Amino acid sequence: KAGVTQTPRYLIKTRGQQVTLSCSPISGHRSVSWYQQTPGQGLQFLFEYFSETQRNKGNFPGRFSGRQFSNSRSEMNVSTLELGDSALYLCASSPYNRGPEQFFGPGTRLTVL
Amino acid sequence: AQRVTQPEKLLSVFKGAPVELKCNYSYSGSPELFWYVQYSRQRLQLLLRHISRESIKGFTADLNKGETSFHLKKPFAQEEDSAMYYCALSDGNAGNMLTFGGGTRLMVKP
Repeated sequence: KAGVTQTPRYLIKTRGQQVTLSCSPISGHRSVSWYQQTPGQGLQFLFEYFSETQRNKGNFPGRFSGRQFSNSRSEMNVSTLELGDSALYLCASSPYNRGPEQFFGPGTRLTVL
Repeated sequence: AQRVTQPEKLLSVFKGAPVELKCNYSYSGSPELFWYVQYSRQRLQLLLRHISRESIKGFTADLNKGETSFHLKKPFAQEEDSAMYYCALSDGNAGNMLTFGGGTRLMVKP
């Protein structure tokens, strides 16, 4: 099976702009989670979607949002970008019946100037 | 709220030496614990989970509920073990959300 794919792999934006990142889970996986990875804060959970519904949300401001489509693909959006949003954004998918084991994508590196 | 702590940011050992990467957690319920590994230029991947009680690549980890620890051990380190290791916790009641520790970089010197 193909692994989790994320597009784009790299992005450069300026403060105040918005950005949309995309994630395609492993075929058959219905759960998609998003994490932010920074040198200072490490890996932090953003949100999880399951069957097009947000099931969990981490402690991030409302500028961070996401959605999941009927084919399980997911997008996350960050509005009004700040310098501190520069990070590696990781997407992970999980099959429903395997519990919280996650399969991670390569990440999208977002740089905010 | 749950918390995972990995006290060492860097652990450097010689090839053939024993390795122990420490992980402590705080959670009031019955968590599920994991170790994830990220090799250079590769994606984050699951190494092992406590409920499977298996040894992967010679690594084992035992959940000690009394000490709230889940240390990762290997009796003889290999150079290919050099990587970033993350301990993670799932509370089992919040979907697939994982809480990660800060990570430990393991360097195995020849």
